Parts: sequence; C-alpha cells; structure tokens
Amino acid sequence: DQQVKQNSPSLSVQEGRISILNCDYTNSMFDYFLWYKKYPAEGPTFLISISSIKDKNEDGRFTVFLNKSAKHLSLHIVPSQPGDSAVYFCAAHRSNDYKLSFGAGTTVTVRA
Amino acid sequence: KAGVTQTPRYLIKTRGQQVTLSCSPISGHRSVSWYQQTPGQGLQFLFEYFSETQRNKGNFPGRFSGRQFSNSRSEMNVSTLELGDSALYLCASSQTGNSNTEAFFGQGTRLTVV
Repeated sequence: DQQVKQNSPSLSVQEGRISILNCDYTNSMFDYFLWYKKYPAEGPTFLISISSIKDKNEDGRFTVFLNKSAKHLSLHIVPSQPGDSAVYFCAAHRSNDYKLSFGAGTTVTVRA
Repeated sequence: KAGVTQTPRYLIKTRGQQVTLSCSPISGHRSVSWYQQTPGQGLQFLFEYFSETQRNKGNFPGRFSGRQFSNSRSEMNVSTLELGDSALYLCASSQTGNSNTEAFFGQGTRLTVV
C-alpha cells in the first residue's frame, strides 16, 4: 500500500527556471515530511523538511509547501541549476512509527 | 563528523547463499533503519533498531533479519538469496528515529544475486 505518491516520474526544466515537484499522501497520521535528493550510486541526501503544524518552510533555493487538507506537498527549486539534476524523493513520518514512507521518486533534469 | 558508513559497497552472490551487510551510524545516533531500493521503486522500509531493540519491521519475508549492537552499529542479514533480492540496500541513522528528526543515509550496498 503506497501511502506516499509522486505521480510524475520525471521533470525537465530550463536552467534558471523554477522546478516544482509534487507529492501526495494518504495517511492523515503523517506529521513530518521530508525531501531527499539522490544521485546515482549514492545514498539519498536530506534536503528540507516540514512539520505538519506549518504550511511552508524555506531554505535558500528550496521551499516546501504543505497543504494538509489536500494531503499534498510540493518542493519548489528556484532558480534551478544543472547540479540539481537528480532523483528527488518525498518521504513522510508518523510519530512513534520509526520509519519513513517514501514516494517512488521524480527524476529532475535541468537543461542548460 | 563522519557520516553513515556502509560496508561493503558492492556484493555479488549466488542464489541460495546468505549475505550480511554492515552499517555504522553517525556518532551519537542511536536509531538505525534499513531500506531496500529496486529499479522503479521508492525506498521500501525493512526495519528499524534503537538501543539494540527492533521497534518496527516492514513487509519483508523472514529471510531478512537484522540486529543492532551496543555501539549502535547494525547488521542486516539475508538468507537463501533470490534473484529478486538484487537491490541497493540503504542504511539511515538518526538521533531518535522519531518524527521531527532527520534521517541521514549511507551510500548503500549494491547487492547483485546471480
């Protein structure tokens, strides 16, 4: 049962433009959400997170938005850079569950 | 501060064999989780350990097992390997394993079963 879904397997964006990655979840008990970035042959690297009590968190070029009523979150990358080309995973956490539930990932390609 | 270290990085095994993977967490982190990543799939949760106790387990057969030592290092064992076990196995450590704490991943062990 996939509780976290990333419905877009890939995204291509021009360098300097905005990248918007989307993520939907089904479990209303999730209370913490994270985005990870992964290059081939490497482990995922933590990017940014947001608690369910907030609706926005910003860190440099990365902003995560959370819409609890829609069970939807998104990651905005502005401006996109070639080094941002990677697979991005959305993940969710529930208190006292001690595990992350991941989406299938979105491959972002930033074109020069 | 050293990151999460997984050994070995690559492994090739034949069907029916067993394998043990190792994970050393970030110093001070007591929670260690294991995930399996296969092509086209997200990361699938295997199990989580904290202070040598397994607190959660994913939907994997009993051939997959793990343990954690008093120094928080963890091992994962897969017995009677099948071709479908070929995957990237990732270990993550965090301070508590609970919400509001970020998990940091190692580079993974690429297991190929032939």
